[in-house]
Amino acid sequence: NAGVMQNPRHLVRRRGQEARLRCSPMKGHSHVYWYRQLPEEGLKFMVYLQKENIIDESGMPKERFSAEFPKEGPSILRIQQVVRGDSAAYFCASSPSRGSPTGELFFGEGSRLTVL
Amino acid sequence: AQSVAQPEDQVNVAEGNPLTVKCTYSVSGNPYLFWYVQYPNRGLQFLLKYITGDNLVKGSYGFEAEFNKSQTSFHLKKPSALVSDSALYFCAVRDDNYGQNFVFGPGTRLSVLP
Repeated sequence: NAGVMQNPRHLVRRRGQEARLRCSPMKGHSHVYWYRQLPEEGLKFMVYLQKENIIDESGMPKERFSAEFPKEGPSILRIQQVVRGDSAAYFCASSPSRGSPTGELFFGEGSRLTVL
Repeated sequence: AQSVAQPEDQVNVAEGNPLTVKCTYSVSGNPYLFWYVQYPNRGLQFLLKYITGDNLVKGSYGFEAEFNKSQTSFHLKKPSALVSDSALYFCAVRDDNYGQNFVFGPGTRLSVLP
């Protein structure tokens, strides 16, 4: 039973380029969360999605960042025109469909973005 | 609004000694509390959770945590620390008034010295 799969694990971009990070949730999970972790810091919530719906994007920067979770395929976190401050580890987590608030999140191994 | 505090950035303990990693929380509804561990360059791994019932919760790798409603705390404990327990530990809370969103604490780095 595969866990949460994130790719790429490492991504290097130059300033101004686009970064696309992918997340396939665990089998049977239809809730996806994205978190950002800056070096030596904690996790910051970015966005919570269900298939074809953004439920909570209160943690997403207003510009350059977008997320989607289509009916088919992985969830994608897209960062346009990257800047050095976007360098971070981006974690995806999933929880079961119709999950109760008592259920834990299952995390992927993260995608580490470096902006040169 | 919900929030989580981990008052110690770093905890150092000698191998074989008991360890405690502290967590306090603030919610408006009923709290659901979680502990996760993160090893270097890895994702977060679930350790244990408190939902309801017995205030002492046992989890993976010999860890346990005690829920204290009056002190709004959920401290992580282990009777005898191992060097391999050295990692970053995160406390998280979910509030049944706020649906599915988790809020994580800033993390505590645990170093177990041989």
